[in-house]
Amino acid sequence: AQRVTQPEKLLSVFKGAPVELKCNYSYSGSPELFWYVQYSRQRLQLLLRHISRESIKGFTADLNKGETSFHLKKPFAQEEDSAMYYCALSAGGTSYGKLTFGQGTILTVHP
Amino acid sequence: DAGVTQSPTHLIKTRGQQVTLRCSPKSGHDTVSWYQQALGQGPQFIFQYYEEEERQRGNFPDRFSGHQFPNYSSELNVNALLLGDSALYLCASSLGYSLTYNEQFFGPGTRLTVL
Repeated sequence: AQRVTQPEKLLSVFKGAPVELKCNYSYSGSPELFWYVQYSRQRLQLLLRHISRESIKGFTADLNKGETSFHLKKPFAQEEDSAMYYCALSAGGTSYGKLTFGQGTILTVHP
Repeated sequence: DAGVTQSPTHLIKTRGQQVTLRCSPKSGHDTVSWYQQALGQGPQFIFQYYEEEERQRGNFPDRFSGHQFPNYSSELNVNALLLGDSALYLCASSLGYSLTYNEQFFGPGTRLTVL
């Protein structure tokens, strides 16, 4: 079975500071990893997926299979980055549509 | 396009009752997934429907059942409600059911409270 762990429930940084949201996973196969974000009063939405290797809103995430991690990073946090962030895993194959989410991290960026 | 819509927004039921939640997928999408999000937790996968059939199921009891209609809309039914069923129920739609990931678009959710 797969599992996603986000060790920090709350993370506070000041504007312009670097931010890293941690995500660790357990899965014996080759998973696909995602970060989802939920801004205040908005829906859950996809931020980025590891396979696309894109930088979205200045965020990047690298899949480290050795450490089974997929940490989300941004070099200079902005106030508008304040939101709930969820790391999610898809097992692939016929289970592509089934997402396993972590508990989420609330990021607060102070002015 | 309003995106994924869910009804009702809020619902209050008592233990032992049955509830039906509804979801209309984003225009052009044909696959619907349901998630349960308890307070302070991440969403937990319940099941996924494609071509009117349940294709995948998470670790939920048979009290949770669903249906998909020819227009791709879907219902989630929960029988014999327990206090622990109180949660936000999220619907997500995507296009196609294949061996590659298709982005899931989430609805606003239905908040179910069981008293």
